[in-house]
Amino acid sequence: ETGVTQSPTHLIKTRGQQVTLRCSSQSGHNTVSWYQQALGQGPQFIFQYYREEENGRGNFPPRFSGLQFPNYSSELNVNALELDDSALYLCASREDRNYEQYFGPGTRLTVT
Amino acid sequence: KNQVEQSPQSLIILEGKNCTLQCNYTVSPFSNLRWYKQDTGRGPVSLTIMTFSENTKSNGRYTATLDADTKQSSLHITASQLSDSASYICVVSPTNNAGNMLTFGGGTRLMVKP
Repeated sequence: ETGVTQSPTHLIKTRGQQVTLRCSSQSGHNTVSWYQQALGQGPQFIFQYYREEENGRGNFPPRFSGLQFPNYSSELNVNALELDDSALYLCASREDRNYEQYFGPGTRLTVT
Repeated sequence: KNQVEQSPQSLIILEGKNCTLQCNYTVSPFSNLRWYKQDTGRGPVSLTIMTFSENTKSNGRYTATLDADTKQSSLHITASQLSDSASYICVVSPTNNAGNMLTFGGGTRLMVKP
């Protein structure tokens, strides 16, 4: 396994609600990225955090936000959930100056 | 518009046969190109990473090639096994920042049948 864990595994929410997804990276991995993967498609980059600061963002609205903590854990928060937010959410972490990213198993979010 | 296109979208082969998956990209300049294997409902796992100066990289039965002039890459799987059934995703890193703004292809869904 990659050493990256995510929780919860599955989650069902109602439109308009808020959700927090969690990721625990390997020790020493200062960079964490979050991706959204709709069914049958490739992952789409949401944003990246380095040493607790956001340093890159994809084409996602501000209701997608994140946090990174000193203990190599991170969160993805989504407010005002929409039906189209239903997807597999992946986090990936890596060391400084290393191309290799390690993905977690993902959280399957269903918005009804 | 997605700057990484993969073909075919899906593929069915018999166990023991070889196959080749294609990836065309328009991302430029690019730093490196990666192939990932993703089992259903799981996170992607890295197979190969190639910088723009590399032409080929192998990982067991997986061999990736890269032609930076034509902006094409391929992943060749030899002597396929049932466990090779998965999606294979081509990923391009558009800058020298190793992880930021990775651009993913839509993947090829491979099914290996006995």
